[in-house]
Amino acid sequence: DAGITQSPRHKVTETGTPVTLRCHQTENHRYMYWYRQDPGHGLRLIHYSYGVKDTDKGEVSDGYSVSRSKTEDFLLTLESATSSQTSVYFCAINQAGGPWDYTDTQYFGPGTRLTVL
Amino acid sequence: GIQVEQSPPDLILQEGANSTLRCNFSDSVNNLQWFHQNPWGQLINLFYIPSGTKQNGRLSATTVATERYSLLYISSSQTTDSGVYFCAVGLTSNDYKLSFGAGTTVTVRA
Repeated sequence: DAGITQSPRHKVTETGTPVTLRCHQTENHRYMYWYRQDPGHGLRLIHYSYGVKDTDKGEVSDGYSVSRSKTEDFLLTLESATSSQTSVYFCAINQAGGPWDYTDTQYFGPGTRLTVL
Repeated sequence: GIQVEQSPPDLILQEGANSTLRCNFSDSVNNLQWFHQNPWGQLINLFYIPSGTKQNGRLSATTVATERYSLLYISSSQTTDSGVYFCAVGLTSNDYKLSFGAGTTVTVRA
Protein backbone atom coordinates (compact mmCIF):
# COMPACT_ATOMS: atom_id res chain seq x y z
CA ASP A 1 0.00 0.00 0.00
CA ALA A 2 3.09 2.25 -0.22
CA GLY A 3 2.50 3.49 3.33
CA ILE A 4 -0.23 6.02 2.53
CA THR A 5 -2.76 7.11 5.13
CA GLN A 6 -5.54 9.65 4.92
CA SER A 7 -7.35 11.49 7.68
CA PRO A 8 -10.11 11.81 8.48
CA ARG A 9 -11.66 8.79 6.77
CA HIS A 10 -15.16 10.23 7.03
CA LYS A 11 -16.36 13.78 7.58
CA VAL A 12 -19.70 15.54 7.54
CA THR A 13 -19.63 19.30 7.47
CA GLU A 14 -21.86 22.25 6.65
CA THR A 15 -21.82 24.56 3.67
CA GLY A 16 -19.43 27.47 4.14
CA THR A 17 -17.13 25.84 6.66
CA PRO A 18 -13.41 25.25 5.97
CA VAL A 19 -12.22 21.66 5.71
CA THR A 20 -8.70 20.22 5.59
CA LEU A 21 -7.89 16.68 4.52
CA ARG A 22 -4.51 15.17 5.24
CA CYS A 23 -2.46 12.68 3.27
CA HIS A 24 0.58 11.13 4.93
CA GLN A 25 3.20 8.88 3.32
CA THR A 26 6.13 7.13 4.93
CA GLU A 27 8.34 6.28 1.94
CA ASN A 28 9.73 9.66 0.87
CA HIS A 29 8.01 9.79 -2.54
CA ARG A 30 8.45 13.03 -4.43
CA TYR A 31 5.14 13.15 -6.29
CA MET A 32 1.79 13.27 -4.51
CA TYR A 33 -1.71 13.78 -5.92
CA TRP A 34 -5.24 14.61 -4.77
CA TYR A 35 -8.19 13.19 -6.74
CA ARG A 36 -11.92 13.27 -6.28
CA GLN A 37 -14.20 10.42 -7.32
CA ASP A 38 -17.79 11.00 -8.36
CA PRO A 39 -20.23 8.60 -10.04
CA GLY A 40 -19.81 8.55 -13.81
CA HIS A 41 -16.56 10.55 -13.76
CA GLY A 42 -13.91 8.11 -12.64
CA LEU A 43 -11.18 9.96 -10.78
CA ARG A 44 -10.31 13.57 -11.54
CA LEU A 45 -7.11 15.29 -10.51
CA ILE A 46 -7.53 18.28 -8.18
CA HIS A 47 -3.95 19.30 -7.36
CA TYR A 48 -0.60 17.63 -7.23
CA SER A 49 2.86 18.20 -5.76
CA TYR A 50 6.29 17.52 -7.23
CA GLY A 51 8.24 18.40 -4.11
CA VAL A 52 8.18 20.34 -0.87
CA LYS A 53 6.40 23.66 -1.48
CA ASP A 54 6.03 22.75 -5.18
CA THR A 55 2.42 22.30 -6.22
CA ASP A 56 0.30 22.72 -9.33
CA LYS A 57 -3.33 22.59 -10.41
CA GLY A 58 -5.15 19.66 -11.91
CA GLU A 59 -8.31 19.64 -13.99
CA VAL A 60 -10.80 20.43 -11.18
CA SER A 61 -8.88 22.77 -8.87
CA ASP A 62 -11.47 25.54 -8.37
CA GLY A 63 -12.46 25.84 -4.71
CA TYR A 64 -9.46 23.85 -3.46
CA SER A 65 -5.98 24.73 -2.24
CA VAL A 66 -3.06 22.53 -1.19
CA SER A 67 0.10 22.76 0.83
CA ARG A 68 3.17 20.62 1.25
CA SER A 69 5.53 21.86 3.91
CA LYS A 70 7.32 18.52 4.33
CA THR A 71 7.82 15.49 2.10
CA GLU A 72 5.51 13.18 4.00
CA ASP A 73 2.41 15.39 4.25
CA PHE A 74 0.15 16.79 1.52
CA LEU A 75 -2.86 18.79 2.70
CA LEU A 76 -6.02 19.56 0.73
CA THR A 77 -8.14 22.49 1.92
CA LEU A 78 -11.65 23.47 0.98
CA GLU A 79 -11.72 27.11 2.04
CA SER A 80 -15.53 27.29 2.09
CA ALA A 81 -17.14 23.94 1.46
CA THR A 82 -20.07 23.66 -0.95
CA SER A 83 -22.48 20.80 -1.59
CA SER A 84 -20.85 20.19 -4.98
CA GLN A 85 -17.68 19.19 -3.12
CA THR A 86 -19.42 16.20 -1.57
CA SER A 87 -17.27 13.38 -2.88
CA VAL A 88 -14.73 10.71 -2.07
CA TYR A 89 -11.21 12.12 -2.00
CA PHE A 90 -8.17 9.98 -2.75
CA CYS A 91 -4.53 10.75 -2.26
CA ALA A 92 -1.91 9.00 -4.37
CA ILE A 93 1.84 8.81 -4.75
CA ASN A 94 3.93 8.05 -7.82
CA GLN A 95 6.43 5.31 -7.24
CA ALA A 96 9.08 5.56 -9.90
CA GLY A 97 11.32 2.68 -10.66
CA GLY A 98 15.08 2.74 -10.19
CA PRO A 99 17.63 3.49 -12.91
CA TRP A 100 17.09 0.13 -14.59
CA ASP A 101 13.40 -0.21 -13.87
CA TYR A 102 11.24 1.70 -16.35
CA THR A 103 8.04 1.62 -14.37
CA ASP A 104 6.03 4.46 -12.87
CA THR A 105 3.16 3.28 -10.75
CA GLN A 106 0.58 5.20 -8.78
CA TYR A 107 -0.58 3.91 -5.41
CA PHE A 108 -3.62 5.19 -3.61
CA GLY A 109 -4.59 5.86 -0.04
CA PRO A 110 -7.82 4.48 1.45
CA GLY A 111 -9.88 7.59 0.65
CA THR A 112 -11.87 10.16 2.63
CA ARG A 113 -15.64 10.34 2.27
CA LEU A 114 -16.72 13.98 2.63
CA THR A 115 -20.34 15.07 2.88
CA VAL A 116 -21.21 18.76 2.75
CA LEU A 117 -24.73 19.51 3.97
CA GLY B 1 -6.43 16.84 -22.07
CA ILE B 2 -6.30 13.21 -23.08
CA GLN B 3 -9.72 11.56 -23.43
CA VAL B 4 -10.11 8.03 -22.10
CA GLU B 5 -13.07 5.82 -22.97
CA GLN B 6 -13.73 2.46 -21.36
CA SER B 7 -16.11 -0.20 -22.54
CA PRO B 8 -18.39 -1.77 -21.65
CA PRO B 9 -19.61 0.43 -18.76
CA ASP B 10 -21.11 -2.59 -16.99
CA LEU B 11 -20.42 -6.29 -17.20
CA ILE B 12 -22.17 -9.17 -15.44
CA LEU B 13 -20.39 -12.52 -15.45
CA GLN B 14 -21.07 -15.97 -14.18
CA GLU B 15 -18.27 -17.36 -12.04
CA GLY B 16 -15.73 -19.12 -14.25
CA ALA B 17 -16.40 -17.00 -17.35
CA ASN B 18 -13.79 -15.04 -19.28
CA SER B 19 -14.08 -11.38 -20.24
CA THR B 20 -12.31 -8.53 -22.01
CA LEU B 21 -12.37 -4.88 -20.98
CA ARG B 22 -11.30 -2.18 -23.41
CA CYS B 23 -9.67 1.23 -22.98
CA ASN B 24 -9.35 3.69 -25.87
CA PHE B 25 -7.40 6.92 -25.55
CA SER B 26 -7.19 9.99 -27.72
CA ASP B 27 -3.50 10.85 -27.79
CA SER B 28 -0.04 9.38 -27.59
CA VAL B 29 0.90 8.24 -24.10
CA ASN B 30 3.86 6.54 -22.48
CA ASN B 31 2.16 5.78 -19.18
CA LEU B 32 -0.85 3.46 -18.96
CA GLN B 33 -2.07 1.75 -15.82
CA TRP B 34 -5.01 -0.47 -14.88
CA PHE B 35 -6.60 -0.30 -11.44
CA HIS B 36 -9.22 -2.34 -9.62
CA GLN B 37 -11.48 -0.69 -7.07
CA ASN B 38 -12.91 -3.34 -4.79
CA PRO B 39 -16.39 -3.13 -3.25
CA TRP B 40 -14.87 -1.51 -0.14
CA GLY B 41 -13.49 1.35 -2.20
CA GLN B 42 -9.80 0.49 -2.15
CA LEU B 43 -7.91 1.19 -5.39
CA ILE B 44 -5.34 -1.43 -6.31
CA ASN B 45 -2.81 -1.07 -9.09
CA LEU B 46 -3.01 -4.08 -11.43
CA PHE B 47 -0.63 -3.23 -14.25
CA TYR B 48 1.75 -0.60 -15.49
CA ILE B 49 1.62 -1.35 -19.20
CA PRO B 50 2.43 1.48 -21.65
CA SER B 51 3.02 -1.13 -24.36
CA GLY B 52 3.18 -4.87 -24.85
CA THR B 53 1.60 -7.66 -22.82
CA LYS B 54 1.79 -8.62 -19.15
CA GLN B 55 0.19 -11.35 -17.11
CA ASN B 56 -0.47 -11.65 -13.41
CA GLY B 57 -2.30 -14.81 -12.45
CA ARG B 58 -5.73 -14.86 -14.06
CA LEU B 59 -5.38 -11.29 -15.26
CA SER B 60 -3.49 -10.14 -18.32
CA ALA B 61 -3.26 -6.88 -20.22
CA THR B 62 -2.19 -5.80 -23.68
CA THR B 63 -1.52 -2.27 -24.89
CA VAL B 64 -1.14 -1.34 -28.55
CA ALA B 65 0.14 2.20 -28.16
CA THR B 66 0.29 2.94 -31.90
CA GLU B 67 -3.44 2.20 -32.17
CA ARG B 68 -4.28 3.90 -28.86
CA TYR B 69 -5.99 1.12 -26.99
CA SER B 70 -5.45 -1.33 -24.19
CA LEU B 71 -7.27 -4.52 -23.22
CA LEU B 72 -7.63 -6.16 -19.82
CA TYR B 73 -8.46 -9.87 -19.80
CA ILE B 74 -10.04 -11.65 -16.87
CA SER B 75 -10.00 -15.42 -17.13
CA SER B 76 -11.93 -17.92 -14.99
CA SER B 77 -13.59 -15.06 -13.12
CA GLN B 78 -14.22 -15.29 -9.38
CA THR B 79 -16.57 -13.33 -7.15
CA THR B 80 -13.54 -11.51 -5.75
CA ASP B 81 -13.00 -9.99 -9.21
CA SER B 82 -16.12 -7.87 -8.72
CA GLY B 83 -15.63 -4.13 -8.57
CA VAL B 84 -14.74 -1.29 -10.89
CA TYR B 85 -11.81 -1.45 -13.29
CA PHE B 86 -10.18 1.81 -14.30
CA CYS B 87 -7.80 2.58 -17.09
CA ALA B 88 -5.57 5.65 -16.65
CA VAL B 89 -3.13 7.21 -19.11
CA GLY B 90 -0.59 10.00 -19.20
CA LEU B 91 2.89 11.15 -20.04
CA THR B 92 5.80 10.63 -17.66
CA SER B 93 7.17 13.97 -18.84
CA ASN B 94 3.98 15.63 -17.56
CA ASP B 95 4.77 15.01 -13.89
CA TYR B 96 3.32 11.49 -14.19
CA LYS B 97 -0.21 12.91 -14.11
CA LEU B 98 -2.91 10.43 -15.09
CA SER B 99 -6.27 10.87 -16.83
CA PHE B 100 -8.80 8.25 -15.82
CA GLY B 101 -11.61 6.64 -17.75
CA ALA B 102 -15.06 6.34 -16.19
CA GLY B 103 -14.49 2.69 -15.42
CA THR B 104 -16.10 -0.69 -16.12
CA THR B 105 -18.21 -2.10 -13.31
CA VAL B 106 -17.83 -5.89 -13.16
CA THR B 107 -20.19 -8.10 -11.21
CA VAL B 108 -19.30 -11.79 -10.92
CA ARG B 109 -22.16 -14.01 -9.77
CA ALA B 110 -21.62 -17.34 -8.03
